[in-house]
Amino acid sequence: GQSLEQPSEVTAVEGAIVQINCTYQTSGFYGLSWYQQHDGGAPTFLSYNALDGLEETGRFSSFLSRSDSYGYLLLQELQMKDSASYFCAVRGFQKLVFGTGTRLLVSP
Amino acid sequence: DVKVTQSSRYLVKRTGEKVFLECVQDMDHENMFWYRQDPGLGLRLIYFSYDVKMKEKGDIPEGYSVSREKKERFSLILESASTNQTSMYLCASSSGTGGHEQYFGPGTRLTVT
Repeated sequence: GQSLEQPSEVTAVEGAIVQINCTYQTSGFYGLSWYQQHDGGAPTFLSYNALDGLEETGRFSSFLSRSDSYGYLLLQELQMKDSASYFCAVRGFQKLVFGTGTRLLVSP
Repeated sequence: DVKVTQSSRYLVKRTGEKVFLECVQDMDHENMFWYRQDPGLGLRLIYFSYDVKMKEKGDIPEGYSVSREKKERFSLILESASTNQTSMYLCASSSGTGGHEQYFGPGTRLTVT
């Protein structure tokens, strides 16, 4: 089977940096994806790591360590609009398995 | 612009009714998925399809079935709706090689009374 763990909630202030961790246990691992979902909206893809290391996309970065079964999403220069839920998802053969999500609250 | 559409945003059905949720994608994607999302449980995969007329069970298929007669359309069927199927249902699609990047529809909030 597959299981993922991520914190249920994280709070931060505008302009700060926040890191959302994800640990996983899985059989058949192809990579780790991250999705953002605003309240009432659909999940949208943010980033994907197939190999160890850091992937940077603007203010967002994602990291993967396959040996540690661990990854994180790093959000820099936080803005109010970053308040949302963030899901890590393990890519197995043909499908994704999602974590339960981390709710990020950004305050002024 | 890529698009996944779902037939309804909100749906209210009675216990025992047969319910059809439809999803259409315009990206010529091979893979399509149905999830349900419940507070604190994240997105759980119900069924997926990687080709026309093909289907695979996800993690929680009980009480559901699916149909994919055309590449762009993937239907979720609740044969006999029950109150524990009250949930948000999300459809998604991805290309054959882009399984890590799924495109989601806006969701259908189904209430079974």
